[in-house]
Amino acid sequence: AQKITQTQPGMFVQEKEAVTLDCTYDTSDPSYGLFWYKQPSSGEMIFLIYQGSYDQQNATEGRYSLNFQKARKSANLVISASQLGDSAMYFCAMREGTGGFKTIFGAGTRLFVKA
Amino acid sequence: GAGVSQSPRYKVAKRGQDVALRCDPISGHVSLFWYQQALGQGPEFLTYFQNEAQLDKSGLPSDRFFAERPEGSVSTLKIQRTQQEDSAVYLCASTPGERQLYGYTFGSGTRLTVV
Repeated sequence: AQKITQTQPGMFVQEKEAVTLDCTYDTSDPSYGLFWYKQPSSGEMIFLIYQGSYDQQNATEGRYSLNFQKARKSANLVISASQLGDSAMYFCAMREGTGGFKTIFGAGTRLFVKA
Repeated sequence: GAGVSQSPRYKVAKRGQDVALRCDPISGHVSLFWYQQALGQGPEFLTYFQNEAQLDKSGLPSDRFFAERPEGSVSTLKIQRTQQEDSAVYLCASTPGERQLYGYTFGSGTRLTVV
């Protein structure tokens, strides 16, 4: 069964510094997609970045990058130059390429950006 | 519409009452998903529609939960005889295609409180 693990319930980072949010996953499917979502206190889930299991390069979207280490089954999110508006819950998620359409989510990491 | 619209935004139901939650996805989006998010947790998959066909309902917690999307656009999640454990935020998401290669667009959710 597929599984997502986020071991950091909460993280603090100083404004303008970089921060890494950890995510490990478990799947036996060779084809899968990995996602990160942001959920501010307003509640709406916002898609940030996607990495396919066959992608050769790490995904990047602006200040977000995904550190994909396939052999270790990890997909850490790196946020560079943190801003106060980055304070939110961050969820790692995975969808397997075969056998279903659903995405499963981790328990999340709450990020606090300090001024 | 420009985004995924959910209504009502908040719903308070007495235990035993039936409720109906509405999701209006982005126009033309083929895939529609319902998730349940308990306080402090990641979203949990409930069900998936491809156009009007419900292809996966494996996440529905009991036969009190029912979802439909009769014309392949608006979807309704119905919960019969609500119980306190049904209290959660119900999130709807949609994607353009059959295969979810990219991230979901989520609605703002419906916060259901059963008293």
